[in-house]
Amino acid sequence: GAVVSQHPSRVICKSGTSVKIECRSLDFQATTMFWYRQFPKQSLMLMATSNEGSKATYEQGVEKDKFLINHASLTLSTLTVTSAHPEDSSFYICSARDVGAVSYNEQFFGPGTRLTVL
Amino acid sequence: GENVEQHPSTLSVQEGDSAVIKCTYSDSASNYFPWYKQELGKRPQLIIDIRSNVGEKKDQRIAVTLNKTAKHFSLHITETQPEDSAVYFCAASKGQAGTALIFGKGTTLSVSS
Repeated sequence: GAVVSQHPSRVICKSGTSVKIECRSLDFQATTMFWYRQFPKQSLMLMATSNEGSKATYEQGVEKDKFLINHASLTLSTLTVTSAHPEDSSFYICSARDVGAVSYNEQFFGPGTRLTVL
Repeated sequence: GENVEQHPSTLSVQEGDSAVIKCTYSDSASNYFPWYKQELGKRPQLIIDIRSNVGEKKDQRIAVTLNKTAKHFSLHITETQPEDSAVYFCAASKGQAGTALIFGKGTTLSVSS
């Protein structure tokens, strides 16, 4: 199946700093990628839909100025957590769909990024 | 907004027994329903999925049923094994397939030998 990577896998930062997380589709092109956040022992919560070449679509309650999304190419979307605070500590996971695949509905998830804000 | 309810939150079975997890969804436009298995600290892994034009799908010990009228879908695992122990999530497409997914809250399945 299609492969999605994320970088970094783990990051620890100080409160007030910004952190950039990259999501790449390695062997397919993705015009749309999705960002989810998962707190410990909870479910995946959709944060935003990242659209190549246009603005991201954010879910209700997600601050677009705090979680900056850039989808500059067909294989890369980035999520920047600006002015991070301890409550932003979470597991961030991206996903993408390979529209050229037989199982074109299936979403392929990245391995996730564990963010810890001190 | 769109919502997916999942029950039970925890499920304990003996090895060899069957396990059933149920979900309901609210968005009438949803037409794609995947199930994921997630181990601690790992990405979700697709175990089976179903589209709204199908009522049932089976893959070896795993089956999914969908009642589109009632907006219910269920995961059935037969002949459970200890390695089936994990957290399982149902999800529904936010509108048409190919869009984002709305996840249920998850079910922690424990299979004891």
